[in-house]
Amino acid sequence: GAVVSQHPSWVICKSGTSVKIECRSLDFQATTMFWYRQFPKQSLMLMATSNEGSKATYEQGVEKDKFLINHASLTLSTLTVTSAHPEDSSFYICSARPDYANTGELFFGEGSRLTVL
Amino acid sequence: QKEVEQDPGPLSVPEGAIVSLNCTYSNSAFQYFMWYRQYSRKGPELLMYTYSSGNKEDGRFTAQVDKSSKYISLFIRDSQPSDSATYLCAMRALAGGTSYGKLTFGQGTILTVHP
Repeated sequence: GAVVSQHPSWVICKSGTSVKIECRSLDFQATTMFWYRQFPKQSLMLMATSNEGSKATYEQGVEKDKFLINHASLTLSTLTVTSAHPEDSSFYICSARPDYANTGELFFGEGSRLTVL
Repeated sequence: QKEVEQDPGPLSVPEGAIVSLNCTYSNSAFQYFMWYRQYSRKGPELLMYTYSSGNKEDGRFTAQVDKSSKYISLFIRDSQPSDSATYLCAMRALAGGTSYGKLTFGQGTILTVHP
């Protein structure tokens, strides 16, 4: 099956610093990727849709200046949490839609756990 | 009202039992229906993918979609302790554009299969 890799899998940072999370599709190209946030025992909350070569589309209530998304190539999207604060601590998960799949099937990364001290 | 409703459980069953997981939805535009399994501290893993109404079987798993009732189910036969995880239903409409593939998730049901 298609593989999506996320890095780092966990990160601890100090309040006020910025953290970058990478999402890579390893064996397929993905023009479209999605970034989710998940709180403990809750479902995935879509943050934004990342499109290669264009600006990301953010969901209502998500601060675009806080969560910077860059989809630099057909296999890489990055999420940067800027000036992180403890309330940004969460589990961040990306997913990618293979360009070859016209059914919208999505594959998820393993997630990145961010802890802001 | 949420677009997708899923009982969060938790659901606890003995090994070997048949497990039934369900979701209801309100958006009649949803055409593609998926079930994901998520182990603790891991990303979701796609289990079943169906289009429109009908049944789909894959090993011990059977997915059912009833669009007339806006109701989908996942059945797990001969459940195993390794099936213990959170099961998320997800669905999307038939749409194109830059948000193609955008899913709406249920809350997830926590399942424990005990030996």
